[in-house]
Order: sequence, then C-alpha cells, then structure tokens
Amino acid sequence: IAGITQAPTSQILAAGRRMTLRCTQDMRHNAMYWYRQDLGLGLRLIHYSNTAGTTGKGEVPDGYSVSRANTDDFPLTLASAVPSQTSVYFCASSDSASEGNTGELFFGEGSRLTVL
Amino acid sequence: AQSVAQPEDQVNVAEGNPLTVKCTYSVSGNPYLFWYVQYPNRGLQFLLKYITGDNLVKGSYGFEAEFNKSQTSFHLKKPSALVSDSALYFCAVRGVSGGYNKLIFGAGTRLAVHP
Repeated sequence: IAGITQAPTSQILAAGRRMTLRCTQDMRHNAMYWYRQDLGLGLRLIHYSNTAGTTGKGEVPDGYSVSRANTDDFPLTLASAVPSQTSVYFCASSDSASEGNTGELFFGEGSRLTVL
Repeated sequence: AQSVAQPEDQVNVAEGNPLTVKCTYSVSGNPYLFWYVQYPNRGLQFLLKYITGDNLVKGSYGFEAEFNKSQTSFHLKKPSALVSDSALYFCAVRGVSGGYNKLIFGAGTRLAVHP
C-alpha cells in the first residue's frame, strides 16, 4: 500500500536551476495538491488540481508550475529556483472536490528542498 | 476569507495529564474543521474532523475535539497524554472558493509530552 509517493526525498539545488518534484498516488483520487511547509507559517497551498487536465493556483503560486496529464501524477516544477523556495514540499490528494465531500487529505512524506 | 489561528507555538504537558491544543477559526457559512498530526520527518496524518452534528468529535489515538460555534473554536483534547503524542498538530478549515477540498491550515502547535 503506497498511497502517495514523492521524489526526491531531499535535494540541494543551485539557484537558477530547474527542478521538478514528482508526486504519484495510487488511490485514484481526483484531486491533488502541492503545499509548502515553512516554520511558523504552517502549510500554504501552491497549486491544486480538481481533476486530470485541470489545475488552479493556491496562495503562493509564483515561481511554480504544475501539470496534471493523468489521474495519478502531479509534478511540481520550479523553473528557476531561488533561495526563498527552500522549504519542505508536500503533495496531497483527496476524493473529488464537491459540496458533498468532506475533504480529508492524504499526504506524502515530503520533499526537502534547499536552494543555495 | 477563511482563516485558522493556533495561538500557542508549543504546549508542554506531563504524561498522564490532560492536554488541550487550541484552535480558532473564521469562515463564512458552516465550517468544516480538521485536525492533523505530523511526526518528525513525516507527512501529515488525519486525526479527526467536524462537519455537522455532535459538537464533540472523537478521532484517532484517543483524541477528541470540541466544536464551539459561539467562540468559533475547535480545540483538540485528550484525557491522558502519552509521550508518543509528542508531535506537531495542525488545525485546518475547508476553503469554499474555487475548490471545496482546499484546506487552509494554521501555523501548527508543537506538543511536548514529558515523562
């Protein structure tokens, strides 16, 4: 039973480099999310996808892009990394986003990214 | 706009004593409220949720939370703390604009249970 798999678990990156964080889920959830976790700020939503083929911006989308080509995969790309993007990144998924769904999220183990 | 506040950065409790981790919220309409726990170097795990009904919600690992509409609070409680309960706890409220399952998280409260 895998749930959500994130890769890499940890990465050190030079500023200006491109980086893609991978996220795969095997629960057939329609909705997926990327959060970043920073000390004292909790989790902030970067991007989300309510279903394959659609994406939306969260609270802090600048400098990040996502794609959702299929149900299972939701990669997060930093086109040109900056030191302020040093953080722990969590991918999550849930059942379809709808009024009748209560919204429990299932999280991956996180990807720790350091931008120097 | 929806928001969640966790007023305590850290809560210290002796093992065997009751614990409370505080959370207040601001939301238009009926709130959907959640508690998650994060152990070191792990992802967040769901503990419990309030949607409607009984104001006292029971969840995993003996935790419970009390919804208080007049005080807009959703405090997490446990009658007898264990050292293994030491972790980071997040309160969250479901956002209702643009996607119902977008959770808005508080900053987190670190719970330290001492033997």
